[in-house]
Amino acid sequence: EAGVVQSPRYKIIEKKQPVAFWCNPISGHNTLYWYRQNLGQGPELLIRYENEEAVDDSQLPKDRFSAERLKGVDSTLKIQPAELGDSAVYLCASRYRGRASGDAYEQYFGPGTRLTVT
Amino acid sequence: DAKTTQPNSMESNEEEPVHLPCNHSTISGTDYIHWYRQLPSQGPEYVIHGLTSNVNNRMASLAIAEDRKSSTLILHRATLRDAAVYYCIPLRGGDNDMRFGAGTRLTVKP
Repeated sequence: EAGVVQSPRYKIIEKKQPVAFWCNPISGHNTLYWYRQNLGQGPELLIRYENEEAVDDSQLPKDRFSAERLKGVDSTLKIQPAELGDSAVYLCASRYRGRASGDAYEQYFGPGTRLTVT
Repeated sequence: DAKTTQPNSMESNEEEPVHLPCNHSTISGTDYIHWYRQLPSQGPEYVIHGLTSNVNNRMASLAIAEDRKSSTLILHRATLRDAAVYYCIPLRGGDNDMRFGAGTRLTVKP
């Protein structure tokens, strides 16, 4: 079974330029997450989708960040314009969320996109 | 959200057991304790989770204190491939959003 796919793996841009990251989750996973991970820190949640609906975007800096998940499968995270402080690894994760409540199902992470803003 | 405290770093020798502690004194009764690890240049991966009883799987064992205020991830025989950052994450059953701390960086020496 293919895992979570992200591209590109690395991206170097100048500040004020736009950038976009793409994520293809595991087939059948209805929940998709975007995280940002700064050096030496744990991942920080930016946005969560349930199918095509963004249900938690409280940590997404909305002035420059946007995300979409058309048709409830692939997702794109965009930054426009990028700032120096946006340099980080951007991780995508997915999970199958069933109807029954109970313990949380595990999340599967992609390898991330390392963004460097110069 | 329950707060967690983990050592910043730990060292182990190869093929020896490793006990990674986590303090979560503010955990609620419905929070499961999840452990993830992040190998170099990779995204985090699930290791194990539990509620009250100790748990075992092919990767590790999880020992949960009787008062649930702390837990210990046990790697029975550390290998060089186990070198990673280990995260302890309390998470309410059915909840979606994990809150990662800084974790414990495990170094395994040959």
